[in-house]
Amino acid sequence: GENVEQHPSTLSVQEGDSAVIKCTYSDSASNYFPWYKQELGKRPQLIIDIRSNVGEKKDQRIAVTLNKTAKHFSLHITETQPEDSAVYFCAAELNRDDKIIFGKGTRLHILP
Amino acid sequence: DSGVTQTPKHLITATGQRVTLRCSPRSGDLSVYWYQQSLDQGLQFLIQYYNGEERAKGNILERFSAQQFPDLHSELNLSSLELGDSALYFCASSVVPDSKRGFYNEQFFGPGTRLTVL
Repeated sequence: GENVEQHPSTLSVQEGDSAVIKCTYSDSASNYFPWYKQELGKRPQLIIDIRSNVGEKKDQRIAVTLNKTAKHFSLHITETQPEDSAVYFCAAELNRDDKIIFGKGTRLHILP
Repeated sequence: DSGVTQTPKHLITATGQRVTLRCSPRSGDLSVYWYQQSLDQGLQFLIQYYNGEERAKGNILERFSAQQFPDLHSELNLSSLELGDSALYFCASSVVPDSKRGFYNEQFFGPGTRLTVL
């Protein structure tokens, strides 16, 4: 069945350093890969996404890379700031039925 | 504010009871998704509706059911509640996906309903 694995489950990074979160998916029919950020007590919000016909996308300090052959994609956050502390979820969507599968999340701590 | 509304915000009930959670999608969105988020857990996809019809099903228990009405609002019904059903329930909505035109399925989440079963 469809599955999305996300690593690590917890990540602590010194402020100003980079953070990388990795996800792998099982269904090769997946064609859309969003990343959501959920701050404590709040709703998940989309921060960046990538389509299957694109290898990399960048938005200021955030970038996502996709390797369709290996079926994995990664979130990169550079120059981390305290407000980056949150839980980050990756997801993969199947084109055939719009079903979206989320990873279990990564709790990112930015250390002062 | 995502434009997705959910009521009630909090709900406290007892085991064995039945509750209904309500969701109104963003204006123009035809798809509604329901998720369960338990303490320190990820987002468990429950069910998706598109324009009134069930489109995809995830890890939804038989005690749970949902529907989407002609005005596109959706309700999630949880019955025979157990302690383990205590969680945050999110609704999300999205536009109709059309990969040929480049629309992809960004989901806009509501604020959630926190259900506590005592």
